[in-house]
Amino acid sequence: QKEVEQNSGPLSVPEGAIASLNCTYSDRGSQSFFWYRQYSGKSPELIMFIYSNGDKEDGRFTAQLNKASQYVSLLIRDSQPSDSATYLCAVNDRYNQGGKLIFGQGTELSVKP
Amino acid sequence: DTGVSQDPRHKITKRGQNVTFRCDPISEHNRLYWYRQTLGQGPEFLTYFQNEAQLEKSRLLSDRFSAERPKGSFSTLEIQRTEQGDSAMYLCASARGGAYEQYFGPGTRLTVT
Repeated sequence: QKEVEQNSGPLSVPEGAIASLNCTYSDRGSQSFFWYRQYSGKSPELIMFIYSNGDKEDGRFTAQLNKASQYVSLLIRDSQPSDSATYLCAVNDRYNQGGKLIFGQGTELSVKP
Repeated sequence: DTGVSQDPRHKITKRGQNVTFRCDPISEHNRLYWYRQTLGQGPEFLTYFQNEAQLEKSRLLSDRFSAERPKGSFSTLEIQRTEQGDSAMYLCASARGGAYEQYFGPGTRLTVT
C-alpha cells in the first residue's frame, strides 16, 4: 500500500462546477496535510494546508480532513479552465513535522469551458 | 519575499559527467529541502537541512548524490557519474522555522543523454 494515494484521473468537470479531489494516507500518526497545484512543466505551488479535523476554506478552495478515516480532500468551487492542473496531496513525516513531505502521485484535473 | 530560486533551470549532460545544482531559499527560511520528480509521479524526498545541518537523507539516494548548505543559506546538490535514470526535475523547497509549509522553487530539469 502506498503511503499517500490519489486517483490519477483525469478528472473532468464543466466550468462552474465543483471539483472534488480525494487523498488517503496510511500513517495514522500524520499531523499535517497539504495540497499543491502543479501546471504542466512547472513546479508545485502550495494552495492549501490543514492540520485539524474539519473544513478549512480559502476563497474557492476548501480542504477537508478526517483523521479517523485517514482521508483528506480538496473541493474547488466554481471551477475555471485555469484550474486545469495536477493536484498533489502531501502529508508530513509523523516523527518530524518539519521534515520531509510524502506526496501522492497527483490527480489531473481538466475543467472544460 | 522573493521566492525560492534555482540554477540552472535546465541541464543537459552526457552519461558519466558530474553536475551541480544550486538553490537559494526564501530569505530567513532556515529549512531547505531537495526533491526529485519524474513524469507522472509526485515529488520524492532526497534530503533536507536545518540551517547548515543535514538532518535527513533518503535511503534511495545513492552515494553519487551529495548536498551541502555550508553557511545555512544557499544549498548545492551534486550528482557524480550521472546515469540516464537520473533524468528528472530536481526541486528545492524551503520553510521558515516554526512552520511546516514548504514552498518550491521552479526546479532544475536534468536530461542525461
